[in-house]
Amino acid sequence: EVQMLVSGGGLVQPGGSLRLSCATSGFSFISHDMSWVRQAPGKGLDWVASVSVSGVTTDYADSVKGRFTISIDRSKDTLFLQMSALTAEDTAMYFCAKEGLLGATTGTFWDWGQGTLVTVSS
Amino acid sequence: EIVLTQSPGTLSLSPGERATLSCRASQSVISSYLAWYQQKPGQAPRLLIYATSGRATGIPDRFSGSGSGTDFTLTISRLEPEDFAVYYCQQYGSSPRTFGQGTKVEIK
Repeated sequence: EVQMLVSGGGLVQPGGSLRLSCATSGFSFISHDMSWVRQAPGKGLDWVASVSVSGVTTDYADSVKGRFTISIDRSKDTLFLQMSALTAEDTAMYFCAKEGLLGATTGTFWDWGQGTLVTVSS
Repeated sequence: EIVLTQSPGTLSLSPGERATLSCRASQSVISSYLAWYQQKPGQAPRLLIYATSGRATGIPDRFSGSGSGTDFTLTISRLEPEDFAVYYCQQYGSSPRTFGQGTKVEIK
């Protein structure tokens, strides 16, 4: 069974930093690209960042580029999102997602973690 | 960036009825790489449909997708009580990947 446990959210002041973790099990972590997707309260879904299976190639939404860093620890099957220079606009539930593996599923968010809430407020 | 516009915003239907949800893209979706997700309150989204019409693992056949180019549709043939939720389309043929704003299917 695929499991993705997200942690690290909380209340942080504007300009502050936070590191989210997504601990995975039940699938071959080294085979899948991984992503973070966020959802502001009462709003829709926004893709935030992605990392390739190798951990070498990363991609970011323009809204977080230069402030967020996505990474993986293959020894721990864990995905991370380091967030800095946070603003109120970053307040959201952050979900980690395992991407589809083959052909036409590549680029979809195939499985999701339960999410962690990040609140940026003074 | 491709903008996805979903309609209607809210769909009020009764169990057993047919639901038709629309997703229109601001430009053609490459390779018809259009997915649909279901989200219930307090839960993470769940992938239903990939590549316009492919059903994800474990998704019942009452869910079907169709379309091409800029116009896509998710159809739920007969609504079950557990189908009342918010549905999002997502395109993944172009970077950045984008989502529609969602359609809420509520009990009439």
